[in-house]
Amino acid sequence: DQQVKQNSPSLSVQEGRISILNCDYTNSMFDYFLWYKKYPAEGPTFLISISSIKDKNEDGRFTVFLNKSAKHLSLHIVPSQPGDSAVYFCAASVSGSARQLTFGSGTQLTVLP
Amino acid sequence: KAGVTQTPRYLIKTRGQQVTLSCSPISGHRSVSWYQQTPGQGLQFLFEYFSETQRNKGNFPGRFSGRQFSNSRSEMNVSTLELGDSALYLCASSPGTPGYEQYFGPGTRLTVT
Repeated sequence: DQQVKQNSPSLSVQEGRISILNCDYTNSMFDYFLWYKKYPAEGPTFLISISSIKDKNEDGRFTVFLNKSAKHLSLHIVPSQPGDSAVYFCAASVSGSARQLTFGSGTQLTVLP
Repeated sequence: KAGVTQTPRYLIKTRGQQVTLSCSPISGHRSVSWYQQTPGQGLQFLFEYFSETQRNKGNFPGRFSGRQFSNSRSEMNVSTLELGDSALYLCASSPGTPGYEQYFGPGTRLTVT
């Protein structure tokens, strides 16, 4: 069963507009969430994270929102740039000694010039 | 700081053979995790090592094994290769202290024929 779900395989956005990528999770034990960006033939690049004690975390153009009651998180990119075109993965972890990330299936973001 | 490095980047093996992949974490990082990425299953956690000890293992057969050396470098071994083992194998490192961000290497693309 998929514990972390990204239901939109792809998203197209015009340059300068907002990109919103969504992620849902089912495991209520998850308490740390991360977003990664991945280009073809490269490893994922860490973007931003959020702990379950917060509902928002911002870093430059990237903001992650967490809605614990809905088990939903989203990544907002404002403004979107063509260089943001990549596959975005959300990942979740249970705090503790082990570093095991459970990933969603990814969303291909295309930012159109 | 130098990023996570993985060698080799590409590998072609025949069914039944074994393979060893290598990962050098970011300097000072003590935790190394391995992931497998395939088109069908996405990114899946293999195992995590911290201070030369395996702390957690994903749902993979015993043909997949690993180890970590005193300098935090890690190796992953797959024995009796199967066609389904063809994948991108990613290594990620993290400091091992609170904070669950993991930083990925570029991966090793393994093709089993």
